[in-house]
Amino acid sequence: NAGVMQNPRHLVRRRGQEARLRCSPMKGHSHVYWYRQLPEEGLKFMVYLQKENIIDESGMPKERFSAEFPKEGPSILRIQQVVRGDSAAYFCASSPTDSPYNEQFFGPGTRLTVL
Amino acid sequence: DQQVKQNSPSLSVQEGRISILNCDYTNSMFDYFLWYKKYPAEGPTFLISISSIKDKNEDGRFTVFLNKSAKHLSLHIVPSQPGDSAVYFCAASGGGNQFYFGTGTSLTVIP
Repeated sequence: NAGVMQNPRHLVRRRGQEARLRCSPMKGHSHVYWYRQLPEEGLKFMVYLQKENIIDESGMPKERFSAEFPKEGPSILRIQQVVRGDSAAYFCASSPTDSPYNEQFFGPGTRLTVL
Repeated sequence: DQQVKQNSPSLSVQEGRISILNCDYTNSMFDYFLWYKKYPAEGPTFLISISSIKDKNEDGRFTVFLNKSAKHLSLHIVPSQPGDSAVYFCAASGGGNQFYFGTGTSLTVIP
C-alpha cells in the first residue's frame, strides 16, 4: 500500500518561472491538504481539496498560487512567477474522510529552491 | 499568529531516560491534538493523538498528556532510544480541516 507520493522531490526554479508540484494521495483517500514549511518554521496550512473541489483555501496566498485535484490524476500545486520567498518545503497530506479527527498522512515533500 | 507553540527548539536526553516535549496553544476551540515525528528529508509521520475529552493517551513508549485549563500538552517518551532522534511537531485542530502546527522540537537521544 503505497503512501502519499510527491514529485519532484527537489525543484529548482529561477525567479519568474512557474513551479508545479504534484501529489498522489494514498489509495482510497479522496481528501488532500497542502502545507508549506519555511526555514525554521512549522508547517503552515495552505489548501484543502477533494476531487474536483477546493474546500478551504484560507491559507493560500491570494496571488500566484493555485491548486487543483482533478477527477483523474494527482493534485497539483502551481506557483506562477516564483520569487525567492517561495523557497520552502511543500508537503502534501491525505486522509480517507473529511473528519477532523482523522490523522493526515504526509508525503515526503517537495523542496523548492528559487534562484 | 502562532496558535500552537513549541518553545524548546531542541532537547537532548540520555538513552533510557524520559524525554518530555512540551506544546502550548492559544485557541480554546482546539479539541484534537496530534504529535508528528519528522526525520530529515522525509514528511511528518503520525505518532499519537488525543481528543479534548481525555487528559491522557498512551501507546507503547509514547504518552500524551493534555491540560485543557493550561492549554498545554506534552509528549513523554520512555525509555528514550537513539532511533527517537528526530524533530517532533505538535499539531492541533478545532473541528475544521486544517491542522495548526508548532515550530517543532529537535530531540537528540544520546547513546
